[in-house]
Amino acid sequence: NAGVTQTPKFRILKIGQSMTLQCTQDMNHNYMYWYRQDPGMGLKLIYYSVGAGITDKGEVPNGYNVSRSTTEDFPLRLELAAPSQTSVYFCASSYSLELAPETQYFGPGTRLTVL
Amino acid sequence: AQKVTQAQTEISVVEKEDVTLDCVYETRDTTYYLFWYKQPPSGELVFLIRRNSFDEQNEISGRYSWNFQKSTSSFNFTITASQVVDSAVYFCALSEANSGGYQKVTFGTGTKLQVIP
Repeated sequence: NAGVTQTPKFRILKIGQSMTLQCTQDMNHNYMYWYRQDPGMGLKLIYYSVGAGITDKGEVPNGYNVSRSTTEDFPLRLELAAPSQTSVYFCASSYSLELAPETQYFGPGTRLTVL
Repeated sequence: AQKVTQAQTEISVVEKEDVTLDCVYETRDTTYYLFWYKQPPSGELVFLIRRNSFDEQNEISGRYSWNFQKSTSSFNFTITASQVVDSAVYFCALSEANSGGYQKVTFGTGTKLQVIP
């Protein structure tokens, strides 16, 4: 099993450009998440999804959009890139039942720089 | 609101020393889960342990051990006989279900451990 895969690994964007960070998991997990990690900080949740067709905002959703058309894929869209979005982005997935949080498995991360 | 505090920003130890990483959490839930993750210099996040709030038994896995104390809201992580490969950032995390049943996970800011040969 590949687990959670993310593409690209690195990307440099100019201010105002758009891009999509791809995330795919092959573990048939229902929950998927997008986090950002700023230098010296912990992870902050951007968006999450509890299943195909269902998404919701996390702690820091502004400037991002997501969709979940399949169980496997959970792309993160940046519409108008800003320097404040320079960060490392992690996708994660878990098989979680209500009130029974399970371990999240993380992808390798995407390092994004906005100049 | 849930909160995780890792007061130690950076720790340096000499190889073979023991080291304890502290984690203090806040939650109003009676049911919650605690996690530790390791982030080596390569950047990926590696799961180490998951513990639920009803299980206060300490756990040992090789050189790693975890001490969970509900009375002090702490979930500390000890590495015995540290090795250079233990150099990484270690994150403690707390998970509780919100009113909608979503698994909300809060991460601490991490402790950077440097093991010097």
